[in-house]
Amino acid sequence: KQEVTQIPAALSVPEGENLVLNCSFTDSAIYNLQWFRQDPGKGLTSLLLIQSSQREQTSGRLNASLDKSSGRSTLYIAASQPGDSATYLCAVNSNYQLIWGAGTKLIIKP
Amino acid sequence: DAGVIQSPRHEVTEMGQEVTLRCKPISGHDYLFWYRQTMMRGLELLIYFNNNVPIDDSGMPEDRFSAKMPNASFSTLKIQPSEPRDSAVYFCASSSMDIYTFGSGTRLTVV
Repeated sequence: KQEVTQIPAALSVPEGENLVLNCSFTDSAIYNLQWFRQDPGKGLTSLLLIQSSQREQTSGRLNASLDKSSGRSTLYIAASQPGDSATYLCAVNSNYQLIWGAGTKLIIKP
Repeated sequence: DAGVIQSPRHEVTEMGQEVTLRCKPISGHDYLFWYRQTMMRGLELLIYFNNNVPIDDSGMPEDRFSAKMPNASFSTLKIQPSEPRDSAVYFCASSSMDIYTFGSGTRLTVV
């Protein structure tokens, strides 16, 4: 059974810092992996989608990597801003269903 | 496109009452998902449809829960009778080619 873990559960950093969020999964037989952002009281917004054959994807200040053999993905946020404050969730597409991590709550202090 | 539209945004109901949540997916998306989110359990997949057909409802917690998708532009999730432990945020999402779009959710409170 696929399990997805995100560490840390919460992170608070000063504005301007580069940071890394981690996601690990137990079964390397995945179709793809996605990173989402959730603002308080809102739905989820898709940030990046990495297919199983890819190693990384980039969008603006965000870069997501995927290492299937080790069961890991990272989301790198460059030059963090207060507007980046949100909960970030990773989801593994396994057997055509998304298996979700519990999320990392990120606070960027001005 | 206005995105995935859910209604109502908030629902407060008494235990035992019937609750119906509504969702309008993005036009052209062939998958529709219903999720429930709580602090304790995170995001849970309840049921999903492909081309209006229910594919997997193994996440539906009890027979009190039912979902329908009568056409490509509308889906409902019904809870009858509702119980306090059903209190959660319910999200509808639609997807095409693995691109997911979530609605803003319905916050359900059963008292």
